[in-house]
Amino acid sequence: NAGVTQTPKFRILKIGQSMTLQCTQDMNHNYMYWYRQDPGMGLKLIYYSVGAGITDKGEVPNGYNVSRSTTEDFPLRLELAAPSQTSVYFCASSQRSSGQGADTQYFGPGTRLTVL
Amino acid sequence: KQEVTQIPAALSVPEGENLVLNCSFTDSAIYNLQWFRQDPGKGLTSLLLIQSSQREQTSGRLNASLDKSSGRSTLYIAASQPGDSATYLCAATGNTPLVFGKGTRLSVIA
Repeated sequence: NAGVTQTPKFRILKIGQSMTLQCTQDMNHNYMYWYRQDPGMGLKLIYYSVGAGITDKGEVPNGYNVSRSTTEDFPLRLELAAPSQTSVYFCASSQRSSGQGADTQYFGPGTRLTVL
Repeated sequence: KQEVTQIPAALSVPEGENLVLNCSFTDSAIYNLQWFRQDPGKGLTSLLLIQSSQREQTSGRLNASLDKSSGRSTLYIAASQPGDSATYLCAATGNTPLVFGKGTRLSVIA
């Protein structure tokens, strides 16, 4: 049981390049999330998904796209990378039962992205 | 819009002290509140989750309380150890997914 895995761990992009950050979870969780964390700041939600085929915008979605074709995978796509997208990106997953339910989020180790 | 604030931003204590970290949130209509630990260069580890119907949760030397009416949560760490040094973040879940505070950076000095 690996939990939430992310690849790559580090990446340097040039302005205008594109890339996909991969995220996979093996806990059969319905909910998956992408966050970015800038130095000295909390995490900000980029996109989230409540199940395969369903995605929704978070607080800071501009410049990113996501898809959720399977329960396990939730890739984040950066198109036309900009220096403002330099950040650490975290993927997370959780299982929410009906009503309030348990909602502990499990995080991956992060991808450190630099755009030059 | 939910906003989560953590005070203080940084805290340094000698080993063995009991300490309290504070978290406040503006919208009391939350489902739950979570406390996380983040070590430098690492991901987040969930420490405690308190459902909105609960008042507190305990795990070992950690105790988290929740007061929805006042929009506050506290994380109490007993008998602090150098290994407790990390950044602690709280996050509230309501009609939108987790909203995080900026965290409190804790240093426990041996």
